[in-house]
Amino acid sequence: DIQMTQSPTSLAASVGESVTITCLASEDIYGSLVWYQQKPGKSPQLLIYGATILEDGIPSRFSGSGSDTQYSLKINSLQPEDFASYYCQNGLSTPLTFGSGTKLEIK
Amino acid sequence: QVQLKESGPGLVKPSETLSLTCTVSGFSLTSYHVSWVRQPPGKGLEWMGVIWGDGSTAYNSALKSRLSISRDTSKSQVFLKMSSLKTEDTATYYCARAPRDWGQGVMVTVSS
Repeated sequence: DIQMTQSPTSLAASVGESVTITCLASEDIYGSLVWYQQKPGKSPQLLIYGATILEDGIPSRFSGSGSDTQYSLKINSLQPEDFASYYCQNGLSTPLTFGSGTKLEIK
Repeated sequence: QVQLKESGPGLVKPSETLSLTCTVSGFSLTSYHVSWVRQPPGKGLEWMGVIWGDGSTAYNSALKSRLSISRDTSKSQVFLKMSSLKTEDTATYYCARAPRDWGQGVMVTVSS
């Protein structure tokens, strides 16, 4: 099974700042990486798929990068609505494992 | 538009079997896969399994011995059955036409 190691577990930042969340796969997933945002009491929302492709309707301050085993989600100029939890997911092969999540909190 | 909605009992006793239904609309189960994902309170997402458009399935190895996913294409429904429930199976259970479309989730508590 492919393991997804996500860091950091939590992150405190201020409105207007930029943050980066990373995800390390235990083997090459060939860019098959998905990022989700989840707010309390809500279902996960797709942000990025294919490691770099922004889902329709997602603000351009979100961006994804990476290849092979290392991937990142960057959020520029944080807005109040961005404070939430973020998860990466292996999209290459079953089991489609999630990272452990990153909780982004307001500083 | 694409919709998924989970339904099932909110409370199940330990050792019993959980049965959940995901009713979908806006797409055909023979053309798209549906996954089940769960989330214990305050914790992260756990992928449970998937039923592919051709009806084949794949499961999380940690749950495989207790988990079964099936479907009724005529009713546009996907079913999850998990046996020998434990208190640690308490979670919100989601069905999803991943990665884009998710149900609202159903909270299941395992308690006597």
